[in-house]
Order: sequence, then structure tokens, then C-alpha cells
Amino acid sequence: AQKVTQAQTEISVVEKEDVTLDCVYETRDTTYYLFWYKQPPSGELVFLIRRNSFDEQNEISGRYSWNFQKSTSSFNFTITASQVVDSAVYFCALSGDNAGNMLTFGGGTRLMVKP
Amino acid sequence: GAGVSQSPRYKVAKRGQDVALRCDPISGHVSLFWYQQALGQGPEFLTYFQNEAQLDKSGLPSDRFFAERPEGSVSTLKIQRTQQEDSAVYLCASSLTSYNEQFFGPGTRLTVL
Repeated sequence: AQKVTQAQTEISVVEKEDVTLDCVYETRDTTYYLFWYKQPPSGELVFLIRRNSFDEQNEISGRYSWNFQKSTSSFNFTITASQVVDSAVYFCALSGDNAGNMLTFGGGTRLMVKP
Repeated sequence: GAGVSQSPRYKVAKRGQDVALRCDPISGHVSLFWYQQALGQGPEFLTYFQNEAQLDKSGLPSDRFFAERPEGSVSTLKIQRTQQEDSAVYLCASSLTSYNEQFFGPGTRLTVL
């Protein structure tokens, strides 16, 4: 069975602070994909990144960066110089490498960025 | 629009009523997924279609839940004899193929009184 754990249920930071959202996963698959989605107050899940289990290179996209550590089964997400518009619930998710690729989501981390 | 659309956005039903939730995927996307998101939790998988074929319905919580995608495009999730525990946001997602990332619609918030 697959499982995703986001231990931080809620984080509050002041604008311009850096913040890291933790994600730990469990899977028996040798090939799998990891995802981060953002859910703003409007409710729509916005795709941020997909990472293949064979690619452990860190990725940076603007103020966003992701750190994939297979040894610790973690896929953490860092926002640099946070902004109020970053306030949302962030979900980490996992899928296997099979047809269908249903997503298994963590419980989410609510990020509040205060001005 | 180019994204996934869902209707209605909000639905209030009395306990025991039947409801139908619609999903219009991104044009050309082969795969379509339904998820249920309870308040304060992450989405949970309900069912998956590849074109018109329902290949996985392991997440449907009971036989009151039924989904279809007869022409391989629009999908409908039907819930019969709704119960209070069915209250949730129902999210639809589509992907180009089953190996691509999923794009989500805005969801339908169902409230069963």
C-alpha cells in the first residue's frame, strides 16, 4: 500500500521568510512518481511538479525548489522569500508506474503567509 | 476554457435524494479520475476511466456510487440515496494519458442535509 505523510498541518510565516514543507512517503513500487499540488482558497488543485523516482536531482523553479531524498523517502518543498499569494494548502502526492496512476495524497499543509 | 470544468459547483441535497455531478475534461485527454475530498483532508481516489472504459473503481465507497463516461469525454458521477457522510468536495481530474500529470477541475461541493 502507498502512503504519504505531511506532518505539518499548518505553518504560519511572515512575508519574505523562507519556508519548507515536509513530505514523507511509503511505497513498495520500484518506479513511482511524486507530485506537489497547491490548493488556494478557490479550491482548485494546481499542479506544481512531478518527479520520477529515478531522478534525484533537486529542482528549482523561480522561488520554488524541491529536494528529493530517496534514502529518507522524502520529497520536501521550499518556498524562498514567501509572498502573501503563496497562502494555500499544499498537497504532496504519490503514484505508481502503472496504467491509471491514481494519486495517493497526503493530508496537506496549510501555509499562511502574513504581510 | 481550456481546463477541466465541473458542474454544478455547489449542490445541496436532502438525505435520500439522488445527485449527478458532471465533469468536462480537457479536450483530447484520455484518462479521467474522480476523487473525494472531505473537509480538511487530502483527496481520495474514487474511480478511473481510460476513454470510455472504467478500469478501476476500487475507491467507490459503496454501491450507491456509480460513474460513467459513455463517449470517452464527459463523465458523470452519480450518488444514489445520499447520506450525510457523502458530504464532501468531489474533484475530477484528466490527463493526456495515464502516464501524464493530472489536471484538476474546481470541484463540486456536495452538502447532504
